Amino acid sequence: QSALTQPASVSGSPGQSITISCTGSYSDIGGYNYVSWYQQHPGKAPKLMIYDVTYRPSGVSNRFSGSKSGNTASLTISGLQAEDEADYFCSSYISNTTPYVFGTGTKVTVL
Amino acid sequence: QVQLVESGGGVVKPGRSLRLSCAASGFTFSTYGMHWVRQAPGKGPEWVAVISHDGSNRYYADSVRGQFTISRDNSKNTLYLQMNSLSAEDTAVYYCAKDLVRYNTGWSFDYWGQGTLVTVSS
Repeated sequence: QSALTQPASVSGSPGQSITISCTGSYSDIGGYNYVSWYQQHPGKAPKLMIYDVTYRPSGVSNRFSGSKSGNTASLTISGLQAEDEADYFCSSYISNTTPYVFGTGTKVTVL
Repeated sequence: QVQLVESGGGVVKPGRSLRLSCAASGFTFSTYGMHWVRQAPGKGPEWVAVISHDGSNRYYADSVRGQFTISRDNSKNTLYLQMNSLSAEDTAVYYCAKDLVRYNTGWSFDYWGQGTLVTVSS
């Protein structure tokens, strides 16, 4: 099963906003609202940042926001901070024999 | 607080079997679906399997169907993953993860364990 497509890297200066895209198809992102975003620091388990396209779990900073348009989901980080430097993975339910897929991952660098 | 603690990983020869465990605490285990997710070295996560809160439904990734079996013991608050006929492609850190939604599958994982490394090598 093909992974969702993300840019390999995105960078920004402290205080800036960045957006990470996640492109799929009508059978995953385009067809369902089960899009999530995870943050992963080196050697750590992933952490849920966004679920159901736009919702933030309790305790996640409101600097993180999610959206979707057609077959593409996006994660925006506003007011970039050094602690945001990490890998980010999108994910989605997919109408397929493998019902769940992750994205290729994006490394966020804070300049 | 929610805790998920995996165990059972290690080095195993190709063709052998291994059973992973995930001990859960801090929430009502029997009311949440549970997932296994693996991550090969230097790669992104790969979803492996899910089991419903009561164990009545199980779904697998194509890559492990027929090879891995997910199960749970709600009396022991423990999730399992039985892995058979292991090959080098199964080398990864294996995480158990709690589903966000109660009594259903929400397809988001709000708590993860620390992971257990499985290395398949002769």
